[in-house]
Amino acid sequence: SYELTQPPSVSVSPGQTATITCSGDKLQTKYVSWYQQKAGQSPVLIIYQDLKRPSGIPERFSGSNSGNTATLTISGTQAMDEADYHCQAWDTSIAVFGGGTELTVL
Amino acid sequence: EVQLVESGGGLVQPGGSLRLSCAASGFTFSSYWLSWVRQAPGRGLECVANIRQDGSEKYYVDSVKGRFTISRDNAKNSLYLQMNNLEVDDTAVYYCARDPANGSRYPNRYFDLWGRGTLVTVSS
Repeated sequence: SYELTQPPSVSVSPGQTATITCSGDKLQTKYVSWYQQKAGQSPVLIIYQDLKRPSGIPERFSGSNSGNTATLTISGTQAMDEADYHCQAWDTSIAVFGGGTELTVL
Repeated sequence: EVQLVESGGGLVQPGGSLRLSCAASGFTFSSYWLSWVRQAPGRGLECVANIRQDGSEKYYVDSVKGRFTISRDNAKNSLYLQMNNLEVDDTAVYYCARDPANGSRYPNRYFDLWGRGTLVTVSS
């Protein structure tokens, strides 16, 4: 089965740029989505089809996908961005998620 | 309001059964692919099953094949997950989630709407 790998944790200082990676075999051949999940809440879609943002998602969130790695970038990170981030792709008719990355803003 | 509301979770012994429900409102339920996604305590997300708009296609992750059954009742705007022969590793919050492909034969392959989840605990 297809696997997506994320770093368990990433730390960033307020105002700096946070980068979260998601790796998988030939991942560039698949569309990748990203979800933000704050403590005790449901996931929220923040990036779909590699780089598109749903309405209402701030421009500081951006995505890319090349080779075996998709990347979520948060520019000018704010304290409110502290959350778990999950990448997701599709494999043989069902969604596959990475293990999630805990973003700490400190 | 556009929303999904799960129910039916609880404590069950290993080998037992449970049926989860997801009630939809605020959108044309019958036009969308739907999925069940679970999250074990402190773990990542795992999609366990999805179903096409008319129920004619259903897909499952390997770990639940033969034990879980996804179904829907478009007249009642409801999605279901019948879980049999439950194992300790099935302990998780179960979310229903919507694929945004409105009326399309094929899903868009991401989730734009999530419920709040219902907790299933499998323990003796």
